[in-house]
Amino acid sequence: DAGVIQSPRHEVTEMGQEVTLRCKLISGHNSLFWYRQTMMRGLELLIYFNNNVPIDDSGMPEDRFSAKMPNASFSTLKIQPSEPRDSAVYFCASSLGTAGDYEQYFGPGTRLTVT
Amino acid sequence: AQSVTQLGSHVSVSEGALVLLRCNYSSSVPPYLFWYVQYPNQGLQLLLKYTTGATLVKGINGFEAEFKKSETSFHLTKPSAHMSDAAEYFCAVSVTGGFKTIFGAGTRLFVKA
Repeated sequence: DAGVIQSPRHEVTEMGQEVTLRCKLISGHNSLFWYRQTMMRGLELLIYFNNNVPIDDSGMPEDRFSAKMPNASFSTLKIQPSEPRDSAVYFCASSLGTAGDYEQYFGPGTRLTVT
Repeated sequence: AQSVTQLGSHVSVSEGALVLLRCNYSSSVPPYLFWYVQYPNQGLQLLLKYTTGATLVKGINGFEAEFKKSETSFHLTKPSAHMSDAAEYFCAVSVTGGFKTIFGAGTRLFVKA
């Protein structure tokens, strides 16, 4: 299996532009997590899904952020409009379920720079 | 609710020396405990996990961790550090039915030649 796939790996955009990050889950996994990592705030959980349904989006920083799972294997995280403080590495991770003992498999991340 | 505290944001050891990264957790129900490693410019990957049973858990790359309920700890150790162990290490906790995993703030390990 190719693992969790994220695209793009790097994104540089100007403030005010829309940014869409993409994630493909590992086949057979049914839970999807979006994280943001910065030096200042560390690893933050933004939102997670189980069976395509958002379970908890309390970590989404503002209404400018939205996430979807249009099907069982794919998810997008959209920022509109983007701001310089959104610059971070964004990870998605998938797992076999939300039972506590399942490990999460992380993608390689998307490094977002907003100028 | 669960929480994780990693003691020390940075740890530096010499090559060949013992590696000890500390993790304490808080949970009102039996926890599942994890250690993940993040190499530069990569995502996190699982080192080892404790679910039930044997309290000493062995992971990849010679790492191991011991679950100590009385001390609410899950410290990560490796007898002899290698330069390739330089990375950031995250301790994490979850529980049955808890949906999400709670990650610690991370400890960056430096290995000196």
